Amino acid sequence: GAGVSQTPSNKVTEKGKYVELRCDPISGHTALYWYRQSLGQGPEFLIYFQGTGAADDSGLPNDRFFAVRPEGSVSTLKIQRTERGDSAVYLCASSQRGATLYNEQFFGPGTRLTVL
Amino acid sequence: AQSVTQPDIHITVSEGASLELRCNYSYGATPYLFWYVQSPGQGLQLLLKYFSGDTLVQGIKGFEAEFKRSQSSFNLRKPSVHWSDAAEYFCAVGGDRDDKIIFGKGTRLHILP
Repeated sequence: GAGVSQTPSNKVTEKGKYVELRCDPISGHTALYWYRQSLGQGPEFLIYFQGTGAADDSGLPNDRFFAVRPEGSVSTLKIQRTERGDSAVYLCASSQRGATLYNEQFFGPGTRLTVL
Repeated sequence: AQSVTQPDIHITVSEGASLELRCNYSYGATPYLFWYVQSPGQGLQLLLKYFSGDTLVQGIKGFEAEFKRSQSSFNLRKPSVHWSDAAEYFCAVGGDRDDKIIFGKGTRLHILP
């Protein structure tokens, strides 16, 4: 079956620009997660959705980062006024139900963002 | 504070040799522990997980891990590695009331022919 997909696979932008990264979770998965993986680091939690609402956004680094999931399926991570330090691989994961890690998170291949 | 330490950034082993990747965690309650593998161009894949019960857990691809509460460790092992095991391995921790996983920095495994 189809896994988690993310588009684009690569995004190059200039400092100060706005970017949107898209995640299509596995069909029927109600929980969706965004992580950021910087070079040489493990994935770092950004935000978690249960359905349409952000249940935990404690990992968003500042107010330039925002994510939505308006219909409880596809999610978009939005970054305003990008900075070079935002360069990383952005990972999306989904699971059947959230609120507990008992349900396996399935990860997408990621979007590599490069800010010049 | 919750954290995961993977002391080895790189590990090199010969094909057919045994493997052990180290992981130590810090967590204030009963931990859920995970090992993920990340191959180039592919998403993170769950190898195995520990929630409770038997402290020796079996995973996919012939991997196993042992939870040692007294040592706050969850080391990953494989008796005989294959060239296809070359990848980056991440240990991670969470809890039964958590909605997020805390990852270590990873260990990159290299396989010598």
